Amino acid sequence: DIQMTQSPSSLSASVGDRVTITCRASQSINIFLNWYQQKPGKAPKLLIYAASSLQSGVPLRFSGSGSGTDFTLTISSLQPEDFATYYCQQSYSTPDTFGQGTKLEIK
Amino acid sequence: QVQLQESGPGLVKPSQTLSLTCTVSGDSISSGSHYWSWIRQPAGTGLEWIGRIYTTGSTHYNPSLKSRLTISVDTSKNQFSLKLSSVTAADTAVYYCARVHSTSYYESDIWGQGTMVTVSS
Repeated sequence: DIQMTQSPSSLSASVGDRVTITCRASQSINIFLNWYQQKPGKAPKLLIYAASSLQSGVPLRFSGSGSGTDFTLTISSLQPEDFATYYCQQSYSTPDTFGQGTKLEIK
Repeated sequence: QVQLQESGPGLVKPSQTLSLTCTVSGDSISSGSHYWSWIRQPAGTGLEWIGRIYTTGSTHYNPSLKSRLTISVDTSKNQFSLKLSSVTAADTAVYYCARVHSTSYYESDIWGQGTMVTVSS
C-alpha cells in the first residue's frame, strides 16, 4: 500500500492567516492526489482533485500543488468556516489511502 | 442534485455480518461514469478506504478486508451494498458511501452522510 504522511498533524492559526498543509506519498503517485475537508459529525467534502484542480463550488482561497510524492494544500486567507480537519488521499493505486489528517484550530 | 444515503443496522454482534446499503438519487449507477465506494472512519481517527464497485460489478477491495468483504450493485434499485463478515469491535466505525469519478482522477465528489455501526454483544 502507498503510505500518505501529512504534516503538521495539528495547526493553530488565526482568521486571515495563510496556511499550508503538506502531504507526502511513499512512492510517486503522479497527480492522483485529492484533498478533503471534514467538519465534526459531517462527511468529508472534496476540495481539490488531481493535485491542483479546484472542485466546483469551492472558494478560490483554496489551492493545491505538487506532483510525484510531495503535495501541498494552501488556504490563502483563513475564514471562520475553514476550521476543520483536512485529509489528503492518493487514488493512484488501490487500496486508496488517506493521510492521517491535519486538524486546523483557531488560535 | 445527487445524493447518497446509507442504511442498515446500527448494532451488529461480534462474529456476525455487517450489511449496509447505499441508495443513490439524482444519478444512475448504470451511467458508467462513476465507481461507487465505501469508506469508514472509527471514532476519533482517520479515514479507511474499504473498496469500490463499477456498474458492471467489477470490484476493487482493500486487501486488509478482502477475505471478509463483498460489495455488490443492484442497478434496478440504483443501490450498492456492503457486506463484511466475522466482525469484531475493530469494525466499529462510521461507514460512508461515496461516488467516485471513473474518467478523472478517482476523486470522491459526493458522499453520504454516514451511518454509525457498533459491533457489540
